[in-house]
Amino acid sequence: GNSVTQMEGPVTLSEEAFLTINCTYTATGYPSLFWYVQYPGEGLQLLLKATKADDKGSNKGFEATYRKETTSFHLEKGSVQVSDSAVYFCALSGGTNAGKSTFGDGTTLTVKP
Amino acid sequence: GAVVSQHPSWVICKSGTSVKIECRSLDFQATTMFWYRQFPKQSLMLMATSNEGSKATYEQGVEKDKFLINHASLTLSTLTVTSAHPEDSSFYICSARDFRLAGAKETQYFGPGTRLLVL
Repeated sequence: GNSVTQMEGPVTLSEEAFLTINCTYTATGYPSLFWYVQYPGEGLQLLLKATKADDKGSNKGFEATYRKETTSFHLEKGSVQVSDSAVYFCALSGGTNAGKSTFGDGTTLTVKP
Repeated sequence: GAVVSQHPSWVICKSGTSVKIECRSLDFQATTMFWYRQFPKQSLMLMATSNEGSKATYEQGVEKDKFLINHASLTLSTLTVTSAHPEDSSFYICSARDFRLAGAKETQYFGPGTRLLVL
């Protein structure tokens, strides 16, 4: 079945540091890939997505590229802010498991001033 | 983007009582709604998939008689935790999707979650 593996956290960075959170996936077919962000006590918000190979999703300075050859969808941001502190989830949807989403375990990011 | 609401946002109840959680899509019609459970510092666990007008499909290990799901309209799904016990305490999150939208068929919109505490 489908699976998503995320870089283990927690991740602690200083403000303006470069962020990378690794995500790799296993799926048959052609899934769509997502990054969601969850702030404390809240639900999930879609951060960005990519629906086919080589697509780049971007939003709020974050970006991730759908790499089919390496089955990866790493999240990056060039300069993090304190307000980026949250839990980030990589997820996939579609492929042969159309309709259901598979989530990674989440990576907690803390950005210190 | 599309908005999904949940009500209540948090609830405290006594052991043995039943609790109903509502999930509404506010500005779109949701052919499918998903119910997730999230334990502290863990990922989301899919409990069931709910399609409008039909019975919910439960994931393996989820008790359908314990977690009753109803999706009577294209904008509302409800999850009822029956005879709740302390181990049912968790953060319940719903998401909604309109499979009729070809361009957005892979996008699901999440509610803000409902925190349940069973004493």
